[in-house]
This record gives sequence, C-alpha cells and structure tokens, in this order.
Amino acid sequence: GQNIDQPTEMTATEGAIVQINCTYQTSGFNGLFWYQQHAGEAPTFLSYNVLDGLEEKGRFSSFLSRSKGYSYLLLKELQMKDSASYLCAVTDSNYQLIWGAGTKLIIKP
Amino acid sequence: EADIYQTPRYLVIGTGKKITLECSQTMGHDKMYWYQQDPGMELHLIHYSYGVNSTEKGDLSSESTVSRIRTEHFPLTLESARPSHTSQYLCASSGAGDTGELFFGEGSRLTVL
Repeated sequence: GQNIDQPTEMTATEGAIVQINCTYQTSGFNGLFWYQQHAGEAPTFLSYNVLDGLEEKGRFSSFLSRSKGYSYLLLKELQMKDSASYLCAVTDSNYQLIWGAGTKLIIKP
Repeated sequence: EADIYQTPRYLVIGTGKKITLECSQTMGHDKMYWYQQDPGMELHLIHYSYGVNSTEKGDLSSESTVSRIRTEHFPLTLESARPSHTSQYLCASSGAGDTGELFFGEGSRLTVL
C-alpha cells in the first residue's frame, strides 16, 4: 500500500532551527509537497520538490532524495506564528495526492 | 491570493437532514476536490472532478454526492446527515501548472446532532 510517515509532534524554541522529516512509499512519484496548516484553518502551500536536492524559500527549505523516499522541511529562525501542523504529500504515478497525517510543531518562547 | 470560497463555514444540523456544502472558485481551474479532515488527522479525499460533467469518488467511502455542472462550482450534498458525518470538509482546486499545487477553501465545519 501507499504510505507517508512523519512525526506526530515536535517542539522547538523561538529563534531556533527545526527539521521535520517525511518518508514515503508510493506507487510511482511525481512530486512532493509541503503544506502548512494552522489549527482550524485550511492548508496553505509551502514548497514543491520533484528533483533531488534542496529548495530554499526564505526561512523555509525543503529537501528531497527520491532514491531514499525521503524529504525534510527545514525551518530557520523560528517564530511563534510557525506553530502549526506541517503536512507532507506525494503525487503518485496516477497524479493522485497521498497525504501524511501531519506533524504538529509547537514553538516555545 | 487564492480565490476559492466555501459556504457555510459552520453548520449544526439534526440527524436526517439534507445539506449541501457549496464551493466556488474564480481561478478557472479544471480540477476540484473535496477532502474530509477530523481534528489532528490526515486529509481524506472523498470526491474529485477533472472538469465539467466529470466526477469521481476518492479513497474514503462517503455517503455524499457531488456535481460539476459549471467549471467554477463543485457542491457536495449529504442526503441524510448522521452524527458520523461530523467533520471538517475542505474544498480545493488546482490548475494546469506543472506542480499541481492545491488551493484550499477555508473549510466547512459540520456538526450533526
């Protein structure tokens, strides 16, 4: 079956750096997304990786290794507003999105 | 700025009632989706459409139905609501771009008593 694994919850300190990992096993691969979802709100797009390597966008970076079925989202200079759930999603060979359950990130002062 | 709208945002109804959750987008996107999400849980795809008069069921078995008569409109209907339908329903759309990025509406939180 198709599966995406990410930690359920992580805690970090304001101003620090945190890395959220995602591993996937899907039938084919056509890209990996990271979305941010604040409590009670809809997900918003953060990043997209389809080739191996690091994509940087401001304080957020996303890395992909297709051979390892692995990605991470790196958040730098953490702010209190970064407290949210971070969802990893993979597009499979049929271009269907497979979603992880999300990682709840708690930022402490 | 994404232009996708859902109504109602919140709805509390009794068992057995028929309800329709509305979703409209002004981006001209062909692909539209309905997801169900319980608090702290993953998104489950219940219906999707790749264009007018095209609708498909998703991974999660659902007693709801959808229609796609116009590109911009993708309503979801529950003929007879039950307490098990209590959840958040998220509508999304995507265009023909390379990434297939989804744009989400703000969601409809349904409570069935």
